[in-house]
Amino acid sequence: DAGVTQSPTHLIKTRGQQVTLRCSPKSGHDTVSWYQQALGQGPQFIFQYYEEEERQRGNFPDRFSGHQFPNYSSELNVNALLLGDSALYLCASRIRDSLYNEQFFGPGTRLTVL
Amino acid sequence: AQSVTQPDIHITVSEGASLELRCNYSYGATPYLFWYVQSPGQGLQLLLKYFSGDTLVQGIKGFEAEFKRSQSSFNLRKPSVHWSDAAEYFCALLIGNMLTFGGGTRLMVKP
Repeated sequence: DAGVTQSPTHLIKTRGQQVTLRCSPKSGHDTVSWYQQALGQGPQFIFQYYEEEERQRGNFPDRFSGHQFPNYSSELNVNALLLGDSALYLCASRIRDSLYNEQFFGPGTRLTVL
Repeated sequence: AQSVTQPDIHITVSEGASLELRCNYSYGATPYLFWYVQSPGQGLQLLLKYFSGDTLVQGIKGFEAEFKRSQSSFNLRKPSVHWSDAAEYFCALLIGNMLTFGGGTRLMVKP
């Protein structure tokens, strides 16, 4: 049973560019959350998707957007990249029906903005 | 405002020694609290969680944590540390669908 997978593993972009990160949830999971983890800090919640809708959003600008597909996989898009967007981006999935269910995290995508 | 604080950025312990990592939270309602571990190049792995009931929670890898409402704390403990426990540890608070994390504590283990 595959866990949460993310692609790509590493990515280098320049300021002003756009980037798309991808996440496939753990089998049987239908809820996907995205987190940004800057170097030396704890992860920060970006948003959560369920039933292809954004259900909750953290304190991130509109440059950060997402999408969830019918197979529950998800994309995170970041437009007009800034140097400060350099971070590890983590995807987490869980079964929606209970907050008590564990969130499983993927290994992350390391984004470097030059 | 809701927040999680991990006062210790780095901790070094000798292998076989006991460990306690501190976590303090600020939240007006009943907290749902978690401890995660992150090894280099890997995602976060759940060690244990507290929702209600017994204030002493057992987790994986021999870890336990004690919830103390009067102190707004949820400290992680292990009686005997192994070299493989060297990693970054995060305490987190669940608010709605969102996990709010502390800044993390990096654990180093001396042989």
